[in-house]
Amino acid sequence: EDQVTQSPEALRLQEGESSSLNCSYTVSGLRGLFWYRQDPGKGPEFLFTLYSAGEEKEKERLKATLTKKESFLHITAPKPEDSATYLCAVQGGSEKLVFGKGTKLTVNP
Amino acid sequence: EPEVTQTPSHQVTQMGQEVILRCVPISNHLYFYWYRQILGQKVEFLVSFYNNEISEKSEIFDDQFSVERPDGSNFTLKIRSTKLEDSAMYFCASTAQQLATNEKLFFGSGTQLSVL
Repeated sequence: EDQVTQSPEALRLQEGESSSLNCSYTVSGLRGLFWYRQDPGKGPEFLFTLYSAGEEKEKERLKATLTKKESFLHITAPKPEDSATYLCAVQGGSEKLVFGKGTKLTVNP
Repeated sequence: EPEVTQTPSHQVTQMGQEVILRCVPISNHLYFYWYRQILGQKVEFLVSFYNNEISEKSEIFDDQFSVERPDGSNFTLKIRSTKLEDSAMYFCASTAQQLATNEKLFFGSGTQLSVL
């Protein structure tokens, strides 16, 4: 069974304090690893898809990387508006995405 | 950027009643999905739909659930006889092509269903 574990569950940073979020996964035949941002009461907002180990993608202050067992979401010099829950999901040999519980990020000014 | 639209944003119903949750996927998209998120828990897959039929469903998606694309724009999720444990945020999602072909899966803002 495909599984995703995210850590930490919650993270508090000061504005400008860089850090990383972890997503560990087990999946039969990875077809894609997805990162989403979710604000309270809203739907997940797409950030990145990674397909193979060694791949990296960047968007503004965010950079996602992928190995054979885990993915990291690096946040460089975060701002308060980066506060959200970040979700990781994997797609294995089917149509569905399997999500982790997320990391709730709070960035204090 | 185009959006997936869901209505209503909140739905309150009595246990045993039927509810229909509505979604308007992005206009050129062909693959449609329903997910749900019980408060404090993970986002869970319910069903995928392509070419007017279900392509995959989870164990949660039992005989009480059904999906339909009644016209060229709407995609609905029906729960025939709601239970307390159906209370959750329900998300509709869509893509233009199959996932894993460099496609983004776009989610709507959700319908919060409360079963009393």
